[in-house]
Amino acid sequence: NAGVTQTPKFRVLKTGQSMTLLCAQDMNHEYMYWYRQDPGMGLRLIHYSVGEGTTAKGEVPDGYNVSRLKKQNFLLGLESAAPSQTSVYFCASGWTEAFFGQGTRLTVV
Amino acid sequence: GENVEQHPSTLSVQEGDSAVIKCTYSDSASNYFPWYKQELGKGPQLIIDIRSNVGEKKDQRIAVTLNKTAKHFSLHITETQPEDSAVYFCAATDSGSARQLTFGSGTQLTVLP
Repeated sequence: NAGVTQTPKFRVLKTGQSMTLLCAQDMNHEYMYWYRQDPGMGLRLIHYSVGEGTTAKGEVPDGYNVSRLKKQNFLLGLESAAPSQTSVYFCASGWTEAFFGQGTRLTVV
Repeated sequence: GENVEQHPSTLSVQEGDSAVIKCTYSDSASNYFPWYKQELGKGPQLIIDIRSNVGEKKDQRIAVTLNKTAKHFSLHITETQPEDSAVYFCAATDSGSARQLTFGSGTQLTVLP
């Protein structure tokens, strides 16, 4: 039972490049979330989904897009990366007793 | 929206002593309060949670207390061990349709041997 799997684990992007982060869960959860974690700021919600085909904005959605075409997958996209998007990104699955992935460390230079 | 404040930001204790981390929240509709432990290089992991109809919950060396009137909740770790060293986050949410967790800014706990 893998739980929540994030890919990739590390990535370096140049300013203006695009990329997609993938989150996969095998727990049949309806709710999935994308957070970013920056030093001293805890976890801030970027976007979330309450079920297949649905997405909604969180606290810091600007510069990101998401899609939930399949229940088990939640994708986070950066269309034109900026240095301010350098962060560690976590995906979570489930509302109560949420399970987190191992994180993606993204650096934008 | 919800605002969660967490104190202290860093905490050092001697092995065997107790540690207490406190959080306050702003939204009186919040009714679910989890605590997460994050070890270096890993994702947060749920260690204990409490719902608003309960004032205290224990799980071995870990306990959480909730005061809904004052809108604060606390994590208590007794008989601390070096493996308790990590960053701890509190969070709060309500059971509305959004079901978003709002996190505190974290506490770096160091247990000194």
